[in-house]
Amino acid sequence: DGGITQSPKYLFRKEGQNVTLSCEQNLNHDAMYWYRQDPGQGLRLIYYSQIVNDFQKGDIAEGYSVSREKKESFPLTVTSAQKNPTAFYLCASSSRRGMGTEAFFGQGTRLTVV
Amino acid sequence: AQSVTQLGSHVSVSEGALVLLRCNYSSSVPPYLFWYVQYPNQGLQLLLKYTSAATLVKGINGFEAEFKKSETSFHLTKPSAHMSDAAEYFCAVSDLYGGSQGNLIFGKGTKLSVKP
Repeated sequence: DGGITQSPKYLFRKEGQNVTLSCEQNLNHDAMYWYRQDPGQGLRLIYYSQIVNDFQKGDIAEGYSVSREKKESFPLTVTSAQKNPTAFYLCASSSRRGMGTEAFFGQGTRLTVV
Repeated sequence: AQSVTQLGSHVSVSEGALVLLRCNYSSSVPPYLFWYVQYPNQGLQLLLKYTSAATLVKGINGFEAEFKKSETSFHLTKPSAHMSDAAEYFCAVSDLYGGSQGNLIFGKGTKLSVKP
């Protein structure tokens, strides 16, 4: 089945630690995205990538980093510089960047700082 | 900048009643609009999208939305609510400008509750 796989589903982080969230897609999509979701705030864009080895900051990139070494993979690292990392993180992909192109979403990773 | 506003963070209906979830957009040119649904602790699933063809768009699970340029609206409706419709619904618009062209901009969401 084609789709987007995020892992792990739940992740616990101690304060001061970096953690990496995995996102893999087998849809052969060019574009990939990371969103953060907090209750009542909708989805906010962290980073996006159009092609391999290229990515751009979204609206709330501070404290996060990404890489795009392979078309299928777009991991997100939540660094210790992110002051409030507890949230639900969603990865998405689309066949191309362009107006009217829908995004397909993974099942999300819930990150909790303990 | 593009934006969408969803009126009502929570909507409650009885099973069998009409579902109406409101979305207004801000755009100086014809937009591309989307509705997504999210069940608890899951990702988002596309319900339907408007890309300047027919103004009445039919989606999955019996939902439809009507694009009204004069009202800058794209409200989501379903004639008869089912318990399984309880979820959070997001309206989104394609960003039209600059380097972020094509990125989706989401509203804050509306949680739909369905009473038996």
